[in-house]
Amino acid sequence: KQEVTQIPAALSVPEGENLVLNCSFTDSAIYNLQWFRQDPGKGLTSLLLIQSSQREQTSGRLNASLDKSSGRSTLYIAASQPGDSATYLCAVGRRNTGNQFYFGTGTSLTVIP
Amino acid sequence: GAGVSQTPSNKVTEKGKYVELRCDPISGHTALYWYRQSLGQGPEFLIYFQGTGAADDSGLPNDRFFAVRPEGSVSTLKIQRTERGDSAVYLCASSPTRQETQYFGPGTRLLVL
Repeated sequence: KQEVTQIPAALSVPEGENLVLNCSFTDSAIYNLQWFRQDPGKGLTSLLLIQSSQREQTSGRLNASLDKSSGRSTLYIAASQPGDSATYLCAVGRRNTGNQFYFGTGTSLTVIP
Repeated sequence: GAGVSQTPSNKVTEKGKYVELRCDPISGHTALYWYRQSLGQGPEFLIYFQGTGAADDSGLPNDRFFAVRPEGSVSTLKIQRTERGDSAVYLCASSPTRQETQYFGPGTRLLVL
């Protein structure tokens, strides 16, 4: 079974700092990988989707990379803002008929004004 | 356009009762997923529909759980003889096809007393 680990579990940074969130997975035979953010009491908001054939995706201040061979992905957030405070979840798509996701437990990010 | 909606947003029931949770996916999305999220954990896959059929129900914890999607749009997750351990947030997601981004609803918070 695919195991997904996210480090650190919690992170607190001052506003304006660049930061990196880490995700590792045990089975490299993935379909794709998606990063989400979750605000307290809310559903998940998609940030970036990386297909298994891709190395990275960028959207605004966010950049996600994927290294399948080492079972790692990183989410880079540039110039962090207080509005970035949320829990960030990494989800690895299972390679079979449905692309069900295996999720990590998330990194709780606090950006201090 | 409208996102994924889920009803009810909160449900409190007593142990042993039957509950139904509803998901309205984004119009035209053929893939629909149910996940369950316990406190402090990432979502856990339950079942995946492609159109009207359950393509993968390997995540359903036991035979008390059942889901349907009779017309290929709205889906209902049904839980019989609820137990306190069923208390969680039940999330629904949809995507245009299985290769694409999954869009999540706000979830239904189920509390079994």
